Amino acid sequence: AQSVTQLGSHVSVSEGALVLLRCNYSSSVPPYLFWYVQYPNQGLQLLLKYTSAATLVKGINGFEAEFKKSETSFHLTKPSAHMSDAAEYFCAVSEGPAAGNKLTFGGGTRVLVKP
Amino acid sequence: NAGVTQTPKFQVLKTGQSMTLQCAQDMNHEYMSWYRQDPGMGLRLIHYSVGAGITDQGEVPNGYNVSRSTTEDFPLRLLSAAPSQTSVYFCASSYSWTGHIAGELFFGEGSRLTVL
Repeated sequence: AQSVTQLGSHVSVSEGALVLLRCNYSSSVPPYLFWYVQYPNQGLQLLLKYTSAATLVKGINGFEAEFKKSETSFHLTKPSAHMSDAAEYFCAVSEGPAAGNKLTFGGGTRVLVKP
Repeated sequence: NAGVTQTPKFQVLKTGQSMTLQCAQDMNHEYMSWYRQDPGMGLRLIHYSVGAGITDQGEVPNGYNVSRSTTEDFPLRLLSAAPSQTSVYFCASSYSWTGHIAGELFFGEGSRLTVL
């Protein structure tokens, strides 16, 4: 069965510092992996996705994530945090047709950006 | 384009009352779904539909009913509300649910439900 673990429910970074959000997954087949972002009082929106092409995936707003099969990880990074990055971030996994194409979300990591 | 529209945005119910959360999308998406969001638990799938007339259960379906009579609409019904159903509910849609498209969901802004 597919599952996702996000390490750290809250992360605090200074403006201009590196943002690193950790995500580990469990999957019995090659997975599809996603990062979604949720700004206050809004729905989630797709940040980036991995679908077995390049292992380093670039997304919107300067974020990127690297798929590491040996570590079953899909960590999200941004070199320099901006105040507008304050939001909650969700990692998600899908096993595709093998699991009825369902998407499983992690518990989320809330990012606070300090000036 | 309005995208995914949910109503109401806020609702307070008493235990045992019933209500329907409405969801409509104008993108001609085949796939529609309902999630609930609870602190620390991420989003959990309640019910989903891969097309008009087809629905299926997700991870936490108990206490909820759905139907899909048109491509555009996917209402979520609470037949007898319980305090455990206090949550934020999100409707999400996708053009399809196969291959590389899987997982690319478009979300509504959410409906915050409190059951007293």
